Amino acid sequence: GNSVTQMEGPVTLSEEAFLTINCTYTATGYPSLFWYVQYPGEGLQLLLKATKADDKGSNKGFEATYRKETTSFHLEKGSVQVSDSAVYFCALSDTGTASKLTFGTGTRLQVTL
Amino acid sequence: EPEVTQTPSHQVTQMGQEVILRCVPISNHLYFYWYRQILGQKVEFLVSFYNNEISEKSEIFDDQFSVERPDGSNFTLKIRSTKLEDSAMYFCASSDRGGPEETQYFGPGTRLLVL
Repeated sequence: GNSVTQMEGPVTLSEEAFLTINCTYTATGYPSLFWYVQYPGEGLQLLLKATKADDKGSNKGFEATYRKETTSFHLEKGSVQVSDSAVYFCALSDTGTASKLTFGTGTRLQVTL
Repeated sequence: EPEVTQTPSHQVTQMGQEVILRCVPISNHLYFYWYRQILGQKVEFLVSFYNNEISEKSEIFDDQFSVERPDGSNFTLKIRSTKLEDSAMYFCASSDRGGPEETQYFGPGTRLLVL
């Protein structure tokens, strides 16, 4: 079946540091890939997505490229801010209608001044 | 901006009791989902719902679980006889179309604690 593997957290960075959160997946077919973010006390919010190989999703300075050859969708940001502190979830969707999402375990990011 | 809402935010119940978790999806959305996250574990799919019937359900979604859209706005998850292992955060989500490219919009979750 489908699965998503994320790097373990927590990740602690100083403000303005470079961020990478690794995500690899196993899937049949051609899934879409997503990064969701969960700020404290809130629900999951879509951060970015990519729907086909070599697509790059981007939002709020975050980027991730759908790499079919390495089955990866790593999240990057060039300069993190304290306000980026949250839990980040990598996910993929099934093919077909009413496509369910398969999530990774989530990576907690803590950014300090 | 439209959002998915869930009530209650927290629920404490005794083992064996029935609970109903409520969700109001975004108003023009047609596809509805429930997920759960046991503390420290992955977010897991429970069930998807479209056109007033279940589209897909996971192994977790056994006979103790049911979903319903009782009116044009609410989407509920019922657990008939709760077990200790049902303690988790339950997330509702909705999307306007159901394909793999579509974004699912999540609610803030209901934290269920079964004692």
